[in-house]
Amino acid sequence: DGGITQSPKYLFRKEGQNVTLSCEQNLNHDAMYWYRQDPGQGLRLIYYSQIVNDFQKGDIAEGYSVSREKKESFPLTVTSAQKNPTAFYLCASSILLLSSGELFFGEGSRLTVL
Amino acid sequence: AQSVTQLGSHVSVSEGALVLLRCNYSSSVPPYLFWYVQYPNQGLQLLLKYTTGATLVKGINGFEAEFKKSETSFHLTKPSAHMSDAAEYFCAVSADGGATNKLIFGTGTLLAVQP
Repeated sequence: DGGITQSPKYLFRKEGQNVTLSCEQNLNHDAMYWYRQDPGQGLRLIYYSQIVNDFQKGDIAEGYSVSREKKESFPLTVTSAQKNPTAFYLCASSILLLSSGELFFGEGSRLTVL
Repeated sequence: AQSVTQLGSHVSVSEGALVLLRCNYSSSVPPYLFWYVQYPNQGLQLLLKYTTGATLVKGINGFEAEFKKSETSFHLTKPSAHMSDAAEYFCAVSADGGATNKLIFGTGTLLAVQP
């Protein structure tokens, strides 16, 4: 089945540690996105990538880093510089050419900082 | 800049009653509009979308929405609520008319369905 796989589903981290969230898609989509979800705030864009080896900051990129070495993979690193990292993180992908703008989402990763 | 406002963070209806979730948008370009549904601890699933053409859009699970340009609205409705409709619903607008597929999301409406 085609889809987006995020791992781990739950992750606990001590303050000061970097953690990396995995996102893999087998939909052959061009673009990939990372959103952060907090209660009552909806989804906010962290980073997005339209092509391999290129990515752009979203609205809340500070304290996060990404890479796009392969079309199917877009890992997100939450660094120790992120002041409030506890949140639900959602990865998404989309086609770009002749697209209607729809995003396809993974199941999410919940990060808790202890 | 594009933005989305969802009126009502919590909505409660009885099973079998009409569901109405409100969404107003602001966009400097012709908007692409979306409604997504999220069940607890899961990702978002597309309910329906409006890009161009017919302003009344039908989606999955009996939901529909009407694009009203004059009112800058895209409200979501369902004639008869079912217990399985209890979830959080997000309205979204394309940030740049579909050029990058970045979406701007509203803050969500949590729908409760009472038996």
